[in-house]
Amino acid sequence: EAGVAQSPRYKIIEKRQSVAFWCNPISGHATLYWYQQILGQGPKLLIQFQNNGVVDDSQLPKDRFSAERLKGVDSTLKIQPAKLEDSAVYLCASSPGVARTDTQYFGPGTRLTVL
Amino acid sequence: TQLLEQSPQFLSIQEGENLTVYCNSSSVFSSLQWYRQEPGEGPVLLVTVVTGGEVKKLKRLTFQFGDARKDSSLHITAAQPGDTGLYLCAGAGVNTGNQFYFGTGTSLTVIP
Repeated sequence: EAGVAQSPRYKIIEKRQSVAFWCNPISGHATLYWYQQILGQGPKLLIQFQNNGVVDDSQLPKDRFSAERLKGVDSTLKIQPAKLEDSAVYLCASSPGVARTDTQYFGPGTRLTVL
Repeated sequence: TQLLEQSPQFLSIQEGENLTVYCNSSSVFSSLQWYRQEPGEGPVLLVTVVTGGEVKKLKRLTFQFGDARKDSSLHITAAQPGDTGLYLCAGAGVNTGNQFYFGTGTSLTVIP
């Protein structure tokens, strides 16, 4: 079974530029998550989708971050404009169900560096 | 402030030693999960504990959920270099709108 795919793996941009990340979850998984992991810290949930609807986006900085999950499958996370403090690894995860105890399967992440 | 505080933040031990990692909160959690993350990869789920006082064993790893469901511990017996990684606890708080949080993390290095 293929795992969660993310691209690109690495991205370097200058502040005030825009950037987009792509995630392809495990086939059939209903729930998709985007996390931000700053170096040395645990991941922080940015947004959770169930199919193509948003379940939780309370920690998403909506003035600059946006995310969508068209057709309930792939998802994109966009930052516009980027700030220095956005430098982090952006992780995508998916789970088969919607329960908090469901196993989340993580992709390898996209490492973003904002100069 | 972090909802889930882990200690220690860093741990470097010799192969064969035992260690315990702690995950503490002032909030009650309906369940807690433990993940291990290796460099350049996403976290991988190790275990989920659901019941207060629950103890689960996974080979040399023992996980315990506190009676009040506010804390958890991970004990590793006879650590091996393959145990090296970032250990993360995670869960959804009962009184925090069921939002999902990861802990601050414990970076473990096992020296051969």
